[in-house]
Amino acid sequence: DAGVTQSPTHLIKTRGQQVTLRCSPKSGHDTVSWYQQALGQGPQFIFQYYEEEERQRGNFPDRFSGHQFPNYSSELNVNALLLGDSALYLCASSLRNRENGYTFGSGTRLTVV
Amino acid sequence: AQSVTQLDSQVPVFEEAPVELRCNYSSSVSVYLFWYVQYPNQGLQLLLKYLSGSTLVKGINGFEAEFNKSQTSFHLRKPSVHISDTAEYFCAGNTGGFKTIFGAGTRLFVKA
Repeated sequence: DAGVTQSPTHLIKTRGQQVTLRCSPKSGHDTVSWYQQALGQGPQFIFQYYEEEERQRGNFPDRFSGHQFPNYSSELNVNALLLGDSALYLCASSLRNRENGYTFGSGTRLTVV
Repeated sequence: AQSVTQLDSQVPVFEEAPVELRCNYSSSVSVYLFWYVQYPNQGLQLLLKYLSGSTLVKGINGFEAEFNKSQTSFHLRKPSVHISDTAEYFCAGNTGGFKTIFGAGTRLFVKA
């Protein structure tokens, strides 16, 4: 049973560019959450998608946007990249009922130069 | 405000010694509580969860945690650690809404 798959694993971008990160959830999961983890810190909630809709958003600017597809996979888009966007981006999948916690992917390491 | 606070940023311990990693939460995140572990260059893995009922919950790899409502704590314990337990540990809480918030993490370093 495949877990959560994220691509790419590493990415280097220049300030001002745009980036798209991808996530395939664990089989049977219908909800995808995205987190940003800066070096030495805990994951920070960006947003969560369910039934192809963003249903809650964290304290991140509109430069961060996402999408969920009918097969439950998801994308995270970041526009106008800043140096401070450099971080590990984690995708977590879960069932709608929350009690089971998340299954995380290994993340995408984004470096903005 | 919703918050999860991990009281120690680093915990060094000798192999086979007991360990406790401390976590306090604000009352607004007490509906569901979790501990996750993160090994280098990997995502987070669920260790255990508290939903309701018994305040002592057991998880994988010999870890357990105790929910204490009066102290607003959810400390993680293991009676005897191994070198392989060296990792970053995160306490997390969910209010019953859609967002799970995480503490800043505690780095457990097990020495031979």
